[in-house]
Amino acid sequence: EVQLVESGGGLVQPGGSLRLSCEASGFTFSSYWMNWVRQAPGKGLEWVANIKEDESEKGYVDSVKGRFTTSRDNAKNSLYLQMNSLRAEDTAVYYCVRGTPSPGLDYWGQGILVTVSS
Amino acid sequence: QTVVTQEPSLTVSPGGTVSLTCACTTGPVTSGSYPNWFQQEPGQAPRSLIYSTNNKHSWTPARFSGSLLGGKAALTLSAVQPEDEADYYCLLSCDGAWVFGGGTKLTVL
Repeated sequence: EVQLVESGGGLVQPGGSLRLSCEASGFTFSSYWMNWVRQAPGKGLEWVANIKEDESEKGYVDSVKGRFTTSRDNAKNSLYLQMNSLRAEDTAVYYCVRGTPSPGLDYWGQGILVTVSS
Repeated sequence: QTVVTQEPSLTVSPGGTVSLTCACTTGPVTSGSYPNWFQQEPGQAPRSLIYSTNNKHSWTPARFSGSLLGGKAALTLSAVQPEDEADYYCLLSCDGAWVFGGGTKLTVL
């Protein structure tokens, strides 16, 4: 059974940093693109970032470029999102999502809440 | 900046058929946009329904289908069930980045 479990969320002050983790199980993690998607309270979904199997390619939505960095450790079946210079508008539930071989997304984690507030 | 648009809300009767659409402000949606569709019930994580225009996941009910229609991506629900009431989001690949639509709130009434 594919499972994606996010951790590392919480309350952080504006300008602060937070590192999210996503632990994967039930599939060969090193064979899949991985994504981060977020959802602000009461709002729609927003794709945030993705990373290729071997980290050779990464993509980010414009609003987080230069502030967020995604990485992975295939030996630990783990995906990470380092978030710096956090702003109130980064407040959201962050989901870890597996990429499909045909471009797309399939399995989602349960999500983790990040709140940026003083 | 690419904007992906969906109907904000739609209403359908139980047993009926409804199509949700997904358009891109930069031009027609094609198979190269790899349209994906997701369902989200209140308080739940999204669930993937369709990838690459019309491919279903193993868990996708047969009454859901994806297509391209008049330069847009479409998700059609046939024989709608009360449990299909949810928010639906499309996702398009635009210039190497993924962009979600604003979502459609589907009411079954």
